[in-house]
Amino acid sequence: GQQLNQSPQSMFIQEGEDVSMNCTSSSIFNTWLWYKQDPGEGPVLLIALYKAGELTSNGRLTAQFGITRKDSFLNISASIPSDVGIYFCAGRSGGSNYKLTFGKGTLLTVNP
Amino acid sequence: GAVVSQHPSRVICKSGTSVKIECRSLDFQATTMFWYRQFPKKSLMLMATSNEGSKATYEQGVEKDKFLINHASLTLSTLTVTSAHPEDSSFYICSAIQTGGSETQYFGPGTRLLVL
Repeated sequence: GQQLNQSPQSMFIQEGEDVSMNCTSSSIFNTWLWYKQDPGEGPVLLIALYKAGELTSNGRLTAQFGITRKDSFLNISASIPSDVGIYFCAGRSGGSNYKLTFGKGTLLTVNP
Repeated sequence: GAVVSQHPSRVICKSGTSVKIECRSLDFQATTMFWYRQFPKKSLMLMATSNEGSKATYEQGVEKDKFLINHASLTLSTLTVTSAHPEDSSFYICSAIQTGGSETQYFGPGTRLLVL
């Protein structure tokens, strides 16, 4: 089955620093999504990418859909304490199959 | 927009009892909903796809008689954990896709189940 490799597994950074995390896949996806999950909560959609090469921003967050359609990255600029949480990438193959394949998550800790 | 709710947010039950978890799309219609299970510090594991008006599609290894799913309307899907055991304790999360929308999954806040 499809597998997503998400890295890094965890990050400890100082407030104000930029952060980058990425996901690679063994197969092609038609959609890449990035979610953030706070403890005890459901994932919240941050950015959705629908086209190879697409670069999309949402405030301090920027994500790109890789040209090969097998990878995506998420950047967070000027991190703040509330950026703490687990970030998941997710890929969707497309067509009538709406199922998502999730990465294992990146735990982000921001030191004030 | 695209708000999904779950009820209850947490539940404690005795071993052998059944527990029902509701997933509602509050401001949109959802033909398709999904049920996930998440263990501590782990990723989301898809359990089943819930389709309005038809039987749910279960992922390999998920017992359909144990995890009963009913999607009776375009805004409500329910997951019933039957004859719960301590190993069923977990964080259950649903998601919904807006019918005719961008096909993006919007997640509920999750339900924490503890079986004693």
